[in-house]
Amino acid sequence: ETGVTQSPTHLIKTRGQQVTLRCSSQSGHNTVSWYQQALGQGPQFIFQYYREEENGRGNFPPRFSGLQFPNYSSELNVNALELDDSALYLCASSLGPDRVNTGELFFGEGSRLTVL
Amino acid sequence: AQSVTQLGSHVSVSEGALVLLRCNYSSSVPPYLFWYVQYPNQGLQLLLKYTTGATLVKGINGFEAEFKKSETSFHLTKPSAHMSDAAEYFCAVSDSTTDKLIFGTGTRLQVFP
Repeated sequence: ETGVTQSPTHLIKTRGQQVTLRCSSQSGHNTVSWYQQALGQGPQFIFQYYREEENGRGNFPPRFSGLQFPNYSSELNVNALELDDSALYLCASSLGPDRVNTGELFFGEGSRLTVL
Repeated sequence: AQSVTQLGSHVSVSEGALVLLRCNYSSSVPPYLFWYVQYPNQGLQLLLKYTTGATLVKGINGFEAEFKKSETSFHLTKPSAHMSDAAEYFCAVSDSTTDKLIFGTGTRLQVFP
C-alpha cells in the first residue's frame, strides 16, 4: 500500500511569484485535503477535493487554488506569494464522503515553502 | 462551530514519568476527537481517535485518551515516557459528517533522561 507522497519537499520563492505543490493520495483514497501549518502553529484547513471537485474550503483567499486529477492526485497552487505564505503545506488523503466517516486522515510529510 | 484548546505549548517530563497532554474542545454536535503526533520535519501520524462507543481509547506507542463529555476534554496520557516520545502533539476535532479537521496549536513534549 502506497502512502501519501508530496513534492517538492522544500522550495524557496520570492514575493509575487507563483507556486505549485503536488500530492499523490494513498491507494484506495478518493479525497485529498490540504492544510497550511505556519511555524509554531497547528495545521489550518485550506480546502478539500473529492472526485475532482472542491468539497469545502477554509478561510483562505482565492489566490489559493487547487486541482484533483482522475487518479485522485492533487495540486495546490498559490499565486502572488506573500511573506506570510511561508509554511509547511500538508496534504492528507481519506476515504471520502461516500464511505462511512472514520474521520481518519493520512498525511504526507509536507512541502516546506519559504517566501523571501 | 468547533474548536480545540491545548493547554500548555510545552511540556517537559523525565524518562519514565507520566505524560499528560491536555485538550479541551468545543462542539455543538457530537465530536470526533483525534490526537496526532509530528516528529521533526515530518508529517502528522495518527496516535488515536474517538468517534463513538468506549470513551477510553488506546492508541499506538502506549498512549491513551479518555473522552469526558461533562468536562469537554480529551486528554492524552502515557504511563511512562520514553525518549522517543519527544515530538509535537496535536489535538483535533471534527464531526460525523465531515473529515475536515480543526487542530489545536500543539504541545511540544520534551523528555529528559
